[in-house]
Amino acid sequence: AQSVSQHNHHVILSEAASLELGCNYSYGGTVNLFWYVQYPGQHLQLLLKYFSGDPLVKGIKGFEAEFIKSKFSFNLRKPSVQWSDTAEYFCAVNSGGYQKVTFGTGTKLQVIP
Amino acid sequence: EAGVTQFPSHSVIEKGQTVTLRCDPISGHDNLYWYRRVMGKEIKFLLHFVKESKQDESGMPNNRFLAERTGGTYSTLKVQPAELEDSGVYFCASSQKERLAGFTGELFFGEGSRLTVL
Repeated sequence: AQSVSQHNHHVILSEAASLELGCNYSYGGTVNLFWYVQYPGQHLQLLLKYFSGDPLVKGIKGFEAEFIKSKFSFNLRKPSVQWSDTAEYFCAVNSGGYQKVTFGTGTKLQVIP
Repeated sequence: EAGVTQFPSHSVIEKGQTVTLRCDPISGHDNLYWYRRVMGKEIKFLLHFVKESKQDESGMPNNRFLAERTGGTYSTLKVQPAELEDSGVYFCASSQKERLAGFTGELFFGEGSRLTVL
């Protein structure tokens, strides 16, 4: 069965600081990887996704994530966070060819102006 | 284009009562999913419909939970009788018809229905 681990439950950063949120998954086969974000009072939305090809994926709002197959990791990064990045971030995995998406426990990011 | 809508946004009931949650997916989306998040935990998969058929209901906790999707449009999730541990946020999501090769890649979520069982 596929599973996802997010190491940080709550992260507090000052504006302009760099961000890296950890995500590890457990599944031995082909995977599709996602980061979803939930801004306060809004619904979950897709931030970025990896299916194949370049392991460095760029998403919306300056976010990127790197798929490292040997480490079963898909960490989310942003060089300089803004107050508007305050949200909860969820890593998710889907085993190729099947539609069930498994989510992690989420990381709450609080950016202080 | 309207997004995924869920009703009610918040429901407070007593243990033993019945609650029905409704989800209207994006028009034309064949795939509909129910997820649940208990406070601080992961967003846990409950089940997946393809049109009106249950594709995967492996995440349904027990037989107190009944999901339906009449005519392949909206879906309901009924909890009867509700227990304290059923409290949480119930998310509905939909996605487009899958490619021949598999998953299209994006789930569109509703804002969730928060259920509180006292």
